[in-house]
Amino acid sequence: QVQLVESGGGVVQPGGSLRLSCAASGFTFNNYAIHWVRQAPGKGLEWVAVISYDENGKYYTDSVKGRFTISRDNSRNTLYLQMNSLRPEDTAIYYCARDYSPGSGRYWATNRFGPWGQGTLVTVSS
Amino acid sequence: EIVLTQSPATLSVSPGERATLSCRASQSVSSKLAWYQHKPGQAPRLLTYDASTRATGIPARFSGSGSGTEFTLSISGLQSEDFAVYYCQQFNDWPLTFGGGTKVEIK
Repeated sequence: QVQLVESGGGVVQPGGSLRLSCAASGFTFNNYAIHWVRQAPGKGLEWVAVISYDENGKYYTDSVKGRFTISRDNSRNTLYLQMNSLRPEDTAIYYCARDYSPGSGRYWATNRFGPWGQGTLVTVSS
Repeated sequence: EIVLTQSPATLSVSPGERATLSCRASQSVSSKLAWYQHKPGQAPRLLTYDASTRATGIPARFSGSGSGTEFTLSISGLQSEDFAVYYCQQFNDWPLTFGGGTKVEIK
């Protein structure tokens, strides 16, 4: 069955860096856009970034532009999120979520999220 | 940025009863709205998309409706496993945004 497993979370000081990974299995990875979504402690869900199936399309939420980079390795069925210049407000559980439907051409993302991984916790604190 | 406002923040419902959750968008999102269920310690789950289409494997007691700026998720005959937090999400424009959530709790 479809499985997404995040890793790479941990405790980092403000200004530090961290790289998250999301290992996928059970579906044709290079057919789908993949998203990162986060949830700060006690807060709701916040979309972070998306990457197209062929890595040619990427979008970010404004608060992470210039600091976070989403990428993927289709040969390894793995998604990444490189997080630099981390801030305390980046503290959250980070989920990877597959696009619900496969993408194609200009419709490379349908932007409905499912399924999701279990998440990995990132804590930014001194 | 499109802001989604969910109401109420908390809904107390008895098992077997019907729950009605609301999501209002700050501007039209057409029918590009999805609903998710999220339980503590678990991955969120897609319930409906395109305002009213149930995702694969979702029971018929979950029903989405609406268009433009006003949307509703109805859950009929609430079961114990339905008590959770529910989020709406728009995919009409970037950035993708979620509502603040409605917690459905046991009355």
